Parts: sequence; structure tokens; C-alpha cells
Amino acid sequence: EAGVTQFPSHSVIEKGQTVTLRCDPISGHDNLYWYRRVMGKEIKFLLHFVKESKQDESGMPNNRFLAERTGGTYSTLKVQPAELEDSGVYFCASSGTRNTEAFFGQGTRLTVV
Amino acid sequence: TQLLEQSPQFLSIQEGENLTVYCNSSSVFSSLQWYRQEPGEGPVLLVTVVTGGEVKKLKRLTFQFGDARKDSSLHITAAQPGDTGLYLCAGEGTGGFKTIFGAGTRLFVKA
Repeated sequence: EAGVTQFPSHSVIEKGQTVTLRCDPISGHDNLYWYRRVMGKEIKFLLHFVKESKQDESGMPNNRFLAERTGGTYSTLKVQPAELEDSGVYFCASSGTRNTEAFFGQGTRLTVV
Repeated sequence: TQLLEQSPQFLSIQEGENLTVYCNSSSVFSSLQWYRQEPGEGPVLLVTVVTGGEVKKLKRLTFQFGDARKDSSLHITAAQPGDTGLYLCAGEGTGGFKTIFGAGTRLFVKA
């Protein structure tokens, strides 16, 4: 069974450009989470989907970040326009039910220059 | 704001030594997880502790949740080079679903 996959694994963009990160959760997992680790800091929660609905988006830093999960399958996280401080590793995780183990993807390393 | 403080941040030891990693907070957590992360990969869950005072063992790893559910520890007995990695604690806050992570402890075990 395929795990959580994220694409791309690395992205280098210029300040002001747009980047879209994609996460494919484990098939059948209703819960999908986005996290971010900025250099030197802890992993921080961004938001939580249950199927296609946003359950909690309190961790989204600002309105330059837009997450979607149309159809309740894969999710995208768009950053527009990107700023230098958006650089970091973005992780996606999924779980079958709320209280079961969350499986993480390998992360997307975003570098804004 | 709930915070998890991990210590030490970095640990370099010889194969065969024992070590303990701590995860502390002033807040109560409904559950706490320990993860291990290797370079280029996402965190992988090792254990979840739920009950205050709970102790769980996973081979040479012993996890403990504090009685007040505010702190936890990970003890590794007779560390091996294969234990090298980043160890993260994470907590489920009370009254919400947001997972809060500690900054991690980077462990290096020398052969």
C-alpha cells in the first residue's frame, strides 16, 4: 500500500512567485493535515481536513496560503505570492480516523530566494 | 499557547550507553506521541501515551507519561548506531485537535 506522497520534493522559487504543493494521502484516509517546519524551529500545524472540509485552519500563517482538498482525496497548498519567510519543509500527514496514527509524507522543501 | 520543550537539543554518545530525552510543558495534554525522523523523510510514530503515569516499552526504548500529563520522557538502553536520528515529541492539546510538536532531539550514536 502506498504511503503519503508529496510533490515536489524540493522547490526553489523567487520571492513573489506562486508555488503549489501537492499531497496524496493514504487511500481511504479521511483526515489530512498540513504542517510546516521553518529552519531551526519546531514543526507547526497549519490545517486539518476531514474529507473535503476544513476542520481547523487556525495554523495558517496568513491569506497568502490557500489549501484545498476538492473531492476529499488529494490536497494542494498554494502560496501566493511567496515571501522569504515561507521557506521551510512542508509536511502532509493523513489518518483514517481522528484518533488513529497519522502517517507523514516525506515533505516538500521550499526555498524562496 | 501550549508549548513542548525538548531537552537536550543534541546528544552524541557512544554505542552501548544509555540516554534519556525529556519533553516538558506547563500545559496538560490529552495524549502525547514520540516520533523518529530520518533525513529526507517525514516523522514516523513510535508510541502514543494517553494515561498519566503510563509507561510503554518498545524493545530498548521506554516511554513515560508524567502523572499530570504535562511531561514525558524517552529512555534508550544500550544505544546502537541505528538509533541515530531526530526524536520528536508531540502533544494533542485538551479541547482541540491541533498537534503541537517539540523542537526535537538530534541523537548521534557512535560505533
